[in-house]
Amino acid sequence: EVQLVESGGGLVQPGGSLRLSCAASGFTFSSDWMSWVRQAPGKGLEWVANIKQDGSKEYYVDSVKGRFTISRDNAKNSLYLQMNSLRAEDTAVYYCARWSWGRLDPWGQGTLVTVSS
Amino acid sequence: QSALTQPPSASGSPGQSVTISCTGTSSDVGGSNYVSWYQQHPGKAPKLMIYEVSKRPSGVPDRFSGSKSGNTASLTVSGLQAEDEADYYCNSYAGSNNLVFGGGTKLTVL
Repeated sequence: EVQLVESGGGLVQPGGSLRLSCAASGFTFSSDWMSWVRQAPGKGLEWVANIKQDGSKEYYVDSVKGRFTISRDNAKNSLYLQMNSLRAEDTAVYYCARWSWGRLDPWGQGTLVTVSS
Repeated sequence: QSALTQPPSASGSPGQSVTISCTGTSSDVGGSNYVSWYQQHPGKAPKLMIYEVSKRPSGVPDRFSGSKSGNTASLTVSGLQAEDEADYYCNSYAGSNNLVFGGGTKLTVL
């Protein structure tokens, strides 16, 4: 079964840092682009970042450039999102998803990040 | 990186058909066949319903169909059922390995 499981969310103060993880199973992780997508409470989906199969290329939405870093460890079948200089507006459920041929599938169950003092 | 435009809400009675639109620009929807649609029930992760404008993943009922004309993509749900009540989001490739979502449409089955 193809599965993604996120972890690492929690409560963090403004200006703080957090690292999210996404464990992949059931498919050849190293063969696919991966993505992070977030959803603020009561709001819509927002694409956050993509990373190429070998980790050599990263792409970000403008609002997180310079603060967030997407990375992966293909030996561990794991995707990461390092989030620095966190702001209240970064509060959201963060989902990881496989991005293949223009489609995001599957998705993890999500992990909640709350930025508040 | 402006969001695609979707109507905030749509509704229909059981058995009816409803169409949800998704309008972008020539830089995203109009210029890409990588348009996809996602269904999200409350408290759940999104689920892929349509990809590459009109293709259905295995397991998705054929009541769901997609199309595109110019800068506007559409999702049609035929033979509405109670379980179709959910939020629906369109997504498009926007060039340079960036993606963009629509604002979402809440579908209500009356």
